[in-house]
Amino acid sequence: GQQLNQSPQSMFIQEGEDVSMNCTSSSIFNTWLWYKQDPGEGPVLLIALYKAGELTSNGRLTAQFGITRKDSFLNISASIPSDVGIYFCAGHNNAGNMLTFGGGTRLMVKP
Amino acid sequence: GAGVSQSPRYKVTKRGQDVALRCDPISGHVSLYWYRQALGQGPEFLTYFNYEAQQDKSGLPNDRFSAERPEGSISTLTIQRTEQRDSAMYRCASSSQLGNEQFFGPGTRLTVL
Repeated sequence: GQQLNQSPQSMFIQEGEDVSMNCTSSSIFNTWLWYKQDPGEGPVLLIALYKAGELTSNGRLTAQFGITRKDSFLNISASIPSDVGIYFCAGHNNAGNMLTFGGGTRLMVKP
Repeated sequence: GAGVSQSPRYKVTKRGQDVALRCDPISGHVSLYWYRQALGQGPEFLTYFNYEAQQDKSGLPNDRFSAERPEGSISTLTIQRTEQRDSAMYRCASSSQLGNEQFFGPGTRLTVL
């Protein structure tokens, strides 16, 4: 089963609002990735984090790799309707090259 | 190719039949991964390859599942004697180096009747 706890499970917000979601783990990960999945499509990589404490931005998206290496958050500023989708965090550790995924955060944006 | 491709996109089969799912990774990508995604959940790891070598198959549910990548490029995931519980989205991903970002294909939705 999955080892990453992702919250919230879903969010319904007004266009223009900022959004924050996070992932926590009981074990250390060396890499954190954030993906977005649209209906009928595969996950698309948004941001990759490789170093504890690292803060990385990609347009309106900002993600951070927690100092303890057991958590990460993703912020979306000034949300727009096309931000709708499911956001997944994923971690990679020394046990192998597989990614362990969180359960996803379903984001809904009201125009 | 420009991205990871998978075929077929949809497969409906009867219980007991064998199915073969194909993945064509991004050109030049060394590593190839198979995941299974249930509705409303994140992908769960099945197996992965570096070049043609299967490095980890610990995520395969049972011995009805197998995968190969004979020439280090295209991979096939085979499910023998399918059961209804095998119904899911099967996703393939590839990466250029060990542990780097993984890029996903569109998936194959398998339905076992």
